[in-house]
Amino acid sequence: KNEVEQSPQNLTAQEGEFITINCSYSVGISALHWLQQHPGGGIVSLFMLSSGKKKHGRLIATINIQEKHSSLHITASHPRDSAVYICAVNSGGSNYKLTFGKGTLLTVNP
Amino acid sequence: NAGVTQTPKFQVLKTGQSMTLQCAQDMNHEYMSWYRQDPGMGLRLIHYSVGAGITDQGEVPNGYNVSRSTTEDFPLRLLSAAPSQTSVYFCASRVDRGAFGYTFGSGTRLTVV
Repeated sequence: KNEVEQSPQNLTAQEGEFITINCSYSVGISALHWLQQHPGGGIVSLFMLSSGKKKHGRLIATINIQEKHSSLHITASHPRDSAVYICAVNSGGSNYKLTFGKGTLLTVNP
Repeated sequence: NAGVTQTPKFQVLKTGQSMTLQCAQDMNHEYMSWYRQDPGMGLRLIHYSVGAGITDQGEVPNGYNVSRSTTEDFPLRLLSAAPSQTSVYFCASRVDRGAFGYTFGSGTRLTVV
C-alpha cells in the first residue's frame, strides 16, 4: 500500500463546478504539500500545510491530522484549472524528503 | 529571475553514455533534491542535499551520483545510461525552515536509446 493515496485518479468537471480532491496518508508527517502540474509543464507548489486550512484565491486546502487526510478544493472551476494535482508529504521525521501520491488529473470543460 | 534552473530541457543518450543534468538556484535554499517522474509511478526521490558538502540517497539512487560543492548548484550525474533511466527529471529546492513549500525546476526530459 502506498504511503500517500489520492482520489479520484481522474476527474472531469464543467466550468463553474466546485471540485474536491482527496489525499490520505498512512504515516506520521511534519507537513503536507499540494502541487500543480500542467500537461507537459513544470510543477508548482500550491500549499504547505501542517494543520488547519489555507486559502489562496479560489483554492482551499484543509488537513485533518487525526484522520490523516487532506482535501484540496477549487471553487468556481475554470478550464485553466485543468492540470494534475499532486499530494506529497514530509514523513519519517524529515522536513525535506517528499513522498508523493500518484496525482489526480483534473479536466474542466467550458 | 529567482528560481530553479535546470539544463538541458531535452536530451537523448545512447545506452552506456554518461551525462550531467544541471540544477542551479539563486534563492540561497539549503535543501536541494532530484526526482524522477515516470508514468504510473509518480515522482520519486533520487538524491538530496541539506547543504553544501552534504548529500544523501533517496528512494531510487542506483545509477546516479550527486555532489554539492556550493549552495547554488546540485548536478545529477548519470554514470552509464540505461533505457530504464528514460524519464522526466525535476530538481527542487526549499529553505530549511518556515512555512514555505518547494520550488521546482522546469524539468529535463531524458530518453536513453
